[in-house]
Amino acid sequence: QQQVKQSPQSLIVQKGGISIINCAYENTAFDYFPWYQQFPGKGPALLIAIRPDVSEKKEGRFTISFNKSAKQFSLHIMDSQPGDSATYFCAASSGGGADGLTFGKGTHLIIQP
Amino acid sequence: DAGITQSPRHKVTETGTPVTLRCHQTENHRYMYWYRQDPGHGLRLIHYSYGVKDTDKGEVSDGYSVSRSKTEDFLLTLESATSSQTSVYFCAITLTPAGTEAFFGQGTRLTVV
Repeated sequence: QQQVKQSPQSLIVQKGGISIINCAYENTAFDYFPWYQQFPGKGPALLIAIRPDVSEKKEGRFTISFNKSAKQFSLHIMDSQPGDSATYFCAASSGGGADGLTFGKGTHLIIQP
Repeated sequence: DAGITQSPRHKVTETGTPVTLRCHQTENHRYMYWYRQDPGHGLRLIHYSYGVKDTDKGEVSDGYSVSRSKTEDFLLTLESATSSQTSVYFCAITLTPAGTEAFFGQGTRLTVV
């Protein structure tokens, strides 16, 4: 049972455009929703995270939008740059996250110059 | 990198042999995790630990065991490696007692032939 569904699998965006990656979850006990960025040969790195008491969080060019009623959240990358080309994972956890994160399957993002 | 070191970084082993992967951290973090990453599956939790000698199973624990005799070391053992355990294995720690803000090691690429 996949508890966090991520789409699209792959995404190509022109430089300067907006990249949008979507995730949907099933477990209403989830209370922490991070996004991770991973470059080839490296471990995932925490990018930005949100809790369900807010609908949006912005850090630089990265924004998380959260819709609690729809059980969906998304990552927006504004002014996308070639250096943003990576694989992005959404994740979720409950109970403080001490029992680990449930990840989406990932989105391979390519920013074309 | 939150002081996480995984060893070895790469390993090729034969089916049926035992394999132990090591995760070492230098900053006295309480919570440690082992994930595996496979194409099309994202990252999946194998086992986690919330202190010395306190461990629990994750989503894909079959065929794996763990041990944590010291705060700084979390060992993952494949008792009898199978080809289905060919994967990239990541160790992670969390900075907070709530289990949020997970940081990952560089990964171990394991190939079972």
